[in-house]
Amino acid sequence: GENVEQHPSTLSVQEGDSAVIKCTYSDSASNYFPWYKQELGKRPQLIIDIRSNVGEKKDQRIAVTLNKTAKHFSLHITETQPEDSAVYFCAANQGGRSQKLVFGQGTRLTINP
Amino acid sequence: EAGVVQSPRYKIIEKKQPVAFWCNPISGHNTLYWYRQNLGQGPELLIRYENEEAVDDSQLPKDRFSAERLKGVDSTLKIQPAELGDSAVYLCASSQIYGSRGFAEQETQYFGPGTRLLVL
Repeated sequence: GENVEQHPSTLSVQEGDSAVIKCTYSDSASNYFPWYKQELGKRPQLIIDIRSNVGEKKDQRIAVTLNKTAKHFSLHITETQPEDSAVYFCAANQGGRSQKLVFGQGTRLTINP
Repeated sequence: EAGVVQSPRYKIIEKKQPVAFWCNPISGHNTLYWYRQNLGQGPELLIRYENEEAVDDSQLPKDRFSAERLKGVDSTLKIQPAELGDSAVYLCASSQIYGSRGFAEQETQYFGPGTRLLVL
C-alpha cells in the first residue's frame, strides 16, 4: 500500500519569509496529491492539489511542485502571514485510480510576527 | 452551498458504552468517507462508500465498528462497545466521483467539522 512521509513535523518562520514542507510517497501509481490546512479544532480544508501530469501548480502565495521520478512533492508558501499558522497535511491517492487518500503525519507551521 | 455536516460535535462516554456519529454529505456527492484522526496525526480512512455500497472497509475494526449509508446520502458510524483507544476525532468527507470504479479520476474530498470523541 501507499506510505506518505512528511517533514518537518514542526516549522517556525518569520512573517514575510517563505515556508517549505516536503512529502515523499511510495506508490509509483499515485497520481493525485492534495494539501490540506487544518486550524486548531477545525476541519481540514483543501488549499491546493496537483495531478501527476504537471510538475508545478501555483495559486497566489501557494505553490506545489511534484517530482514523479523521485516520488516527492512539496508545498511552498511565500510572504507568510500570521493566518498561515496551522497544521498542514499532504496526501497521495493509493493505486492511482483508487479514491483512497493516504495522509502524511502533518506539519505544524507557526508564523512569528 | 452547504458543506459536510456532522453531529454531534463532541461526545464523552464511558468505556464499553455505544456511540454513534452522523454525517450528511454535500448535496449530490455520491462518495462518502469516514476517517479517524488521532491527536497529532493525519486522518486515516476507515470506510468509503460509493452511493450506498461500502467499497473499501479494509481498515474498519469490524468487531466493534459498523457503518451504514442506507439511501446513499446520510451515513452513520457506530462503535459498540467503545474502548479507551477509540478517543479521537471522527471525520466525514464527501466527493463526487465521475466514471466507473477503478477508472475514475480522483476528485477533491471535502471534510466535515468532525466529532471529537473522548472515552473515559
